[in-house]
Amino acid sequence: QQQVKQSPQSLIVQKGGISIINCAYENTAFDYFPWYQQFPGKGPALLIAIRPDVSEKKEGRFTISFNKSAKQFSLHIMDSQPGDSATYFCAASNGGGGNKLTFGTGTQLKVEL
Amino acid sequence: DVKVTQSSRYLVKRTGEKVFLECVQDMDHENMFWYRQDPGLGLRLIYFSYDVKMKEKGDIPEGYSVSREKKERFSLILESASTNQTSMYLCASIMSGVAEAFFGQGTRLTVV
Repeated sequence: QQQVKQSPQSLIVQKGGISIINCAYENTAFDYFPWYQQFPGKGPALLIAIRPDVSEKKEGRFTISFNKSAKQFSLHIMDSQPGDSATYFCAASNGGGGNKLTFGTGTQLKVEL
Repeated sequence: DVKVTQSSRYLVKRTGEKVFLECVQDMDHENMFWYRQDPGLGLRLIYFSYDVKMKEKGDIPEGYSVSREKKERFSLILESASTNQTSMYLCASIMSGVAEAFFGQGTRLTVV
């Protein structure tokens, strides 16, 4: 059962463009929605996260948009750079059960010059 | 600096072997997790532990077991390795009350 659905599977963006990755969830008990970034040969690392009491969170070039009624959230990368080329995972948790995270299937982003 | 260390980066094992993957964290976190990562499937939770000697099944526990004898160490055991367990295995830890997960660098296991 896929509780967090992520799209697209892969994405190619030109340098300076906007990268958009979307996720949808089913479990309304989720109350924490992070995005993780993974470079080849490395483990995932937290990029940015949001809780459902706000509709948007921005950190530098990275923004999460959150739509509670639609049970959807998305990552926007403004002014995308080649160094942003990585795999991005959305995730969700409900704080209980040791804060276990349920992950999406991942998006491989490539930013071309 | 926060650190989660997995004992091996690459492992090659034979079908039927018993395999141990070790993970150590130095942050005194209560919660530890084992995920496997496969292309197109994302990270899937195998087992997790929220205290010493405690364990809970994740979404895909079949063929695996775990051990947590000390707070800082969480081991994943493949009782009898099979080729369909060829994958990247990731260990993570989370402090209770804080949501951020810290991951190790991963162990790429190949079962031949």
